Amino acid sequence: GQNIDQPTEMTATEGAIVQINCTYQTSGFNGLFWYQQHAGEAPTFLSYNVLDGLEEKGRFSSFLSRSKGYSYLLLKELQMKDSASYLCAVRDSNYQLIWGAGTKLIIKP
Amino acid sequence: GAVVSQHPSWVICKSGTSVKIECRSLDFQATTMFWYRQFPKQSLMLMATSNEGSKATYEQGVEKDKFLINHASLTLSTLTVTSAHPEDSSFYICSARVSGTGNEKLFFGSGTQLSVL
Repeated sequence: GQNIDQPTEMTATEGAIVQINCTYQTSGFNGLFWYQQHAGEAPTFLSYNVLDGLEEKGRFSSFLSRSKGYSYLLLKELQMKDSASYLCAVRDSNYQLIWGAGTKLIIKP
Repeated sequence: GAVVSQHPSWVICKSGTSVKIECRSLDFQATTMFWYRQFPKQSLMLMATSNEGSKATYEQGVEKDKFLINHASLTLSTLTVTSAHPEDSSFYICSARVSGTGNEKLFFGSGTQLSVL
């Protein structure tokens, strides 16, 4: 079966750095996505990785290792507004998106 | 960036009534739109894939006669929840993929919170 695993919840301090991990087992691989979702709102796109390595975009970075079936989202200089759920999704060989359950990130002052 | 408009944002209805949710791509043509359902604290669940001018493709376990999807134009897709029941209460989200591209970026509507009494 296809499976995306990410922690259910994480807590971090304002101004700090947090890494949210995602491991996947899918039928093929055609890219990995990270989305941010605030409570009651639709997801917004954060990053896309299809090749191994680190993609940096401002305070957010995303890393991919295809051989390990592993990705992480790194958030730096955390702000209170970063409190949200972070969804990892993998596009499989049929170009279908397989979604993780999301990681709820709680930022404390 | 591309904008997807979804209406209504929230709706409360009585059990047994039907509810229509609209999803419009405002500044691009979307040959493919996706409809998702999300229960509290759970992941997005794909309900169906809607292609303009053809019948929607439903995911396993989703009743096509209950969740009617129409994608009559390149900018509009609708989801009608027929004879809604309390168990249909959920957050419904549409997303659109820009024509001619992969879904590197899915543009999401703002979602519709449906509460069935």
